Amino acid sequence: GEDVEQSLFLSVREGDSSVINCTYTDSSSTYLYWYKQEPGAGLQLLTYIFSNMDMKQDQRLTVLLNKKDKHLSLRIADTQTGDSAIYFCAESRQGTYKYIFGTGTRLKVLA
Amino acid sequence: EAGVAQSPRYKIIEKRQSVAFWCNPISGHATLYWYQQILGQGPKLLIQFQNNGVVDDSQLPKDRFSAERLKGVDSTLKIQPAKLEDSAVYLCASSLEATGGRGTQYFGPGTRLLVL
Repeated sequence: GEDVEQSLFLSVREGDSSVINCTYTDSSSTYLYWYKQEPGAGLQLLTYIFSNMDMKQDQRLTVLLNKKDKHLSLRIADTQTGDSAIYFCAESRQGTYKYIFGTGTRLKVLA
Repeated sequence: EAGVAQSPRYKIIEKRQSVAFWCNPISGHATLYWYQQILGQGPKLLIQFQNNGVVDDSQLPKDRFSAERLKGVDSTLKIQPAKLEDSAVYLCASSLEATGGRGTQYFGPGTRLLVL
């Protein structure tokens, strides 16, 4: 099917690491994205990874890609209250423009 | 660099009324997308434009939704007549190109539509 799956909720304490997981569907997907959506706002691009990479690090963000299991994760180090939001993963399939989004993971950071 | 602009930010209408949304993409972005995001779900693509031509409108409910991008820059999305199930956030996104790394999509703040 076309579903990109994410767990619905994650709660962490301020200062801890957060790991948000995503299982995508198409092994030919070329780019995989993480977007953040704060209340009342649009989607903010956080980072993306090309399918020939296993890992990408950008400041507090680390993306891990397991192509065999079609599993993508986003690790946020030293999570802050400002990181509370909904996080969406999306896959972009080879040769097309189309993004398939997951249902989103709501991250709540407890002070 | 200015981001994707959308207006209005909020709209409340009654069912069977008409409504229109406007989007101005990032300057120089050839590709423009309209998405519908229902509460609790991820965005779903309604239509994609490459310059002023439609590339994909397979998910657009054409009996009531229409969209245009006449000069290859701004775009409008219209619903006529609106139904209760059209209540959602309508997101506009743009990208330099259609695919690959230059196909990375940047989103506007969205228009929140409530149909009563």
